[in-house]
Amino acid sequence: AQTVTQSQPEMSVQEAETVTLSCTYDTSESDYYLFWYKQPPSRQMILVIRQEAYKQQNATENRFSVNFQKAAKSFSLKISDSQLGDAAMYFCAYRRGTNAGKSTFGDGTTLTVKP
Amino acid sequence: NAGVTQTPKFRILKIGQSMTLQCTQDMNHNYMYWYRQDPGMGLKLIYYSVGAGITDKGEVPNGYNVSRSTTEDFPLRLELAAPSQTSVYFCASSYSPGSNTGELFFGEGSRLTVL
Repeated sequence: AQTVTQSQPEMSVQEAETVTLSCTYDTSESDYYLFWYKQPPSRQMILVIRQEAYKQQNATENRFSVNFQKAAKSFSLKISDSQLGDAAMYFCAYRRGTNAGKSTFGDGTTLTVKP
Repeated sequence: NAGVTQTPKFRILKIGQSMTLQCTQDMNHNYMYWYRQDPGMGLKLIYYSVGAGITDKGEVPNGYNVSRSTTEDFPLRLELAAPSQTSVYFCASSYSPGSNTGELFFGEGSRLTVL
């Protein structure tokens, strides 16, 4: 079974600074996708960024980028120029490319942004 | 575009009562999922469906049931509610994992309390 581990239950960052959230996963499959989702206090889950396992290039979305280390099974999220609106719980998720595309989520990292 | 709509948003049940959480999506997604999120934890898969008429169990299916009579609707039935079912429930839908929009689209969640 696939597992996703987020080793940092809580992180804090000063506004305008950079923070990195860690995620490791375990799988024996070759066809999969990795995601970071943001869950603000409103509870709505929002996609932050996506990475296809077959792509070597790290995904970027404006201030958000990932460091995807396939051999190490590591998928960290870097948030640059942190803003107050980035405060939320962040979930790392693994999605299978086959078998109904079932996803496995980490337990989340709560990010606090200090003004 | 409404996306994924869940109802109700909040509900309090007594032990032994039954209820149905409704979920509908208007994006013509084949894949639909029900997750539960316990406090401070990630999402656990309850049931999923890859198309109308096809459903299957996830990690934590006990005490729940689902049906998928149409592409749009995927209701979750709780039979004989127990305090262990107190949680926040999320419905999600998606295209196939490998599509450009292979991420999960989530409803706003339903907070259920069983007393």
